[in-house]
Amino acid sequence: LAKTTQPISMDSYEGQEVNITCSHNNIATNDYITWYQQFPSQGPRFIIQGYKTKVTNEVASLFIPADRKSSTLSLPRVSLSDTAVYYCLVVNNAGNMLTFGGGTRLMVKP
Amino acid sequence: NAGVTQTPKFQVLKTGQSMTLQCAQDMNHEYMSWYRQDPGMGLRLIHYSVGAGITDQGEVPNGYNVSRSTTEDFPLRLLSAAPSQTSVYFCASRQREGRTEAFFGQGTRLTVV
Repeated sequence: LAKTTQPISMDSYEGQEVNITCSHNNIATNDYITWYQQFPSQGPRFIIQGYKTKVTNEVASLFIPADRKSSTLSLPRVSLSDTAVYYCLVVNNAGNMLTFGGGTRLMVKP
Repeated sequence: NAGVTQTPKFQVLKTGQSMTLQCAQDMNHEYMSWYRQDPGMGLRLIHYSVGAGITDQGEVPNGYNVSRSTTEDFPLRLLSAAPSQTSVYFCASRQREGRTEAFFGQGTRLTVV
């Protein structure tokens, strides 16, 4: 499985757009990118996933360049409740296990 | 729809005791897995199962046993608890086919003294 690298922590303020970039240089053709969010004392929660270009849902957008060696999770107009740890995962299409790295700890300030 | 249910939520064990962490899902998911999360760290895979009767080891399997007799249940057994097993344990499930999301339980906070 491709190893992922993302910033350990980020700070932002309410109302700002937050972009968290993840590097996955060794991503394989059959791999796709998935992001999870984890609040304190809770299990991770799926946010978004994609294979290439751009994916958007009601929570976030995911940008994946053509070479797929990185991806960027974009959270529009964050609020205090978006304070959490965000994990970038590379998953094989037939993968039955998810490999979590350290994640990015996002702190949203008032 | 309950999703993934873990019991108990909290547990304190003495070194050497045994116990079973329960995990049940009602979504008919074939894939189930157990993770542990130490303070300030990401999740590490302990054991996983791709269907009833099939289990395999993850990244940190030592000290833990699992079985999968039904699709719904995937218990995790600690045979002889050690302080190093103090952690938060998460169970997850997902469908086998396609690029599907995983659903996690609320976790079991285990302290071994």
